[in-house]
Amino acid sequence: GQQLNQSPQSMFIQEGEDVSMNCTSSSIFNTWLWYKQDPGEGPVLLIALYKAGELTSNGRLTAQFGITRKDSFLNISASIPSDVGIYFCAGPLPGGGNKLTFGTGTQLKVEL
Amino acid sequence: GAVVSQHPSWVICKSGTSVKIECRSLDFQATTMFWYRQFPKQSLMLMATSNEGSKATYEQGVEKDKFLINHASLTLSTLTVTSAHPEDSSFYICSARRDGYTFGSGTRLTVV
Repeated sequence: GQQLNQSPQSMFIQEGEDVSMNCTSSSIFNTWLWYKQDPGEGPVLLIALYKAGELTSNGRLTAQFGITRKDSFLNISASIPSDVGIYFCAGPLPGGGNKLTFGTGTQLKVEL
Repeated sequence: GAVVSQHPSWVICKSGTSVKIECRSLDFQATTMFWYRQFPKQSLMLMATSNEGSKATYEQGVEKDKFLINHASLTLSTLTVTSAHPEDSSFYICSARRDGYTFGSGTRLTVV
C-alpha cells in the first residue's frame, strides 16, 4: 500500500540542539498530521496541517505542509530529554476514506 | 478532549487460545474505529475499519476470521485474536475519529 517515507530514520542529538525531519509521498495529501509515540504507548497528535504552504507551531514544534502537497516537515527547537520518542507523519490518503496512512517513523534520541 | 481507552494494556496467552481487546471512546460517540498493528521498530499498519452496526472492512492480507471485530455500540469496538500463534505477538492500537484521530494507549500481546 501507500507508504510515507520519513527521513532520517533515526537521529541522536545533543540536548538543546534543533531537530529537523521530513516526510515524503508519491501521492498528494490534503492533510498532514504529525504524531509522537512514546515506548509502549499509542501515538499522540502534535500538529495538524490542512493547507499547502501552511506553517503551524505548537510550542517548540513547527511543521509545514509542503507546496507540492507531497511532503511535510517537522522541526523541534532546543530539544530536551522528553523529546525522545518516535515521530510519525500521517495522513488520510485522498480517495481512501478516513483511513490514516502512517510514515515509516523517525526515532529521536537526545543525549544530555 | 477526545479520549480513547484501550484494555488490557498487555496480555500473555497460550498458543491456540483467543484474546479479546477492547477499545472505548470515553467522551464521544464513534461510528467508526480503526485497528492497527505495530511490530517492533516498525510503523503502524492499518488492519481494519470497525463500523458500528455493520461488518468491519479489512485491509488486504488481514484474515477476517482470525481477527474478529465487533462494534456493537457507538462507544465500544472489540478485536478478538482467535487461535493465537506466536507470530500474532504484536502491539495492537485502536483509534477513533472526533475532529481528529485519537489513539488508545495500545495492547501488547504476547503469545507463548
